[in-house]
Amino acid sequence: AQSVTQPDIHITVSEGASLELRCNYSYGATPYLFWYVQSPGQGLQLLLKYFSGDTLVQGIKGFEAEFKRSQSSFNLRKPSVHWSDAAEYFCAVGTLGTGTASKLTFGTGTRLQVTL
Amino acid sequence: GAGVSQTPSNKVTEKGKYVELRCDPISGHTALYWYRQSLGQGPEFLIYFQGTGAADDSGLPNDRFFAVRPEGSVSTLKIQRTERGDSAVYLCASSLKGLAVTSTDTQYFGPGTRLTVL
Repeated sequence: AQSVTQPDIHITVSEGASLELRCNYSYGATPYLFWYVQSPGQGLQLLLKYFSGDTLVQGIKGFEAEFKRSQSSFNLRKPSVHWSDAAEYFCAVGTLGTGTASKLTFGTGTRLQVTL
Repeated sequence: GAGVSQTPSNKVTEKGKYVELRCDPISGHTALYWYRQSLGQGPEFLIYFQGTGAADDSGLPNDRFFAVRPEGSVSTLKIQRTERGDSAVYLCASSLKGLAVTSTDTQYFGPGTRLTVL
């Protein structure tokens, strides 16, 4: 069965510093990978996604992620963090379920705190 | 509307009561999903609709939970005989066609309904 591991529960960075959030997945087939961000009281917002092709994916708000098949990883990066980036970040793998069904399997999330 | 909407935003109920949670997907999206997010956890898949039919309900925890989408648009998640363990945020998402149909399919989430069972 598919699974997603986000090893860091909580990360604190200073504003302006670089950021890398780790994500490892387990899935037998070609994965469809996503990063979502969730701010307090808000729904999940898609940051970026990987389906195929270029393994370095650009997203919104200056985020990027790199798919590394050999490491089963899809780490999220940002070169310079802004205070408004403080939120919960979720990595997810999209998989095919029963019949034509499809669903996302999420990690447990990483809470990002930004200090000024 | 522009996005997925869910009502109510908050629901407080007593143990044993029946509740209904509503989801309005993005117009034109044929695929609709329900997820449950417990405190400190990532969302967990409950059920997926392709059109009016439930294509995958493998995530429903037990027979107290069921969902409908009678006209292929709005969906209602129904929970009977609620228990304190049902307290969570229930998230709805929609996508244009579903991952099995379109390999680049993307799910867009609503703000969720926070259910509290006392």
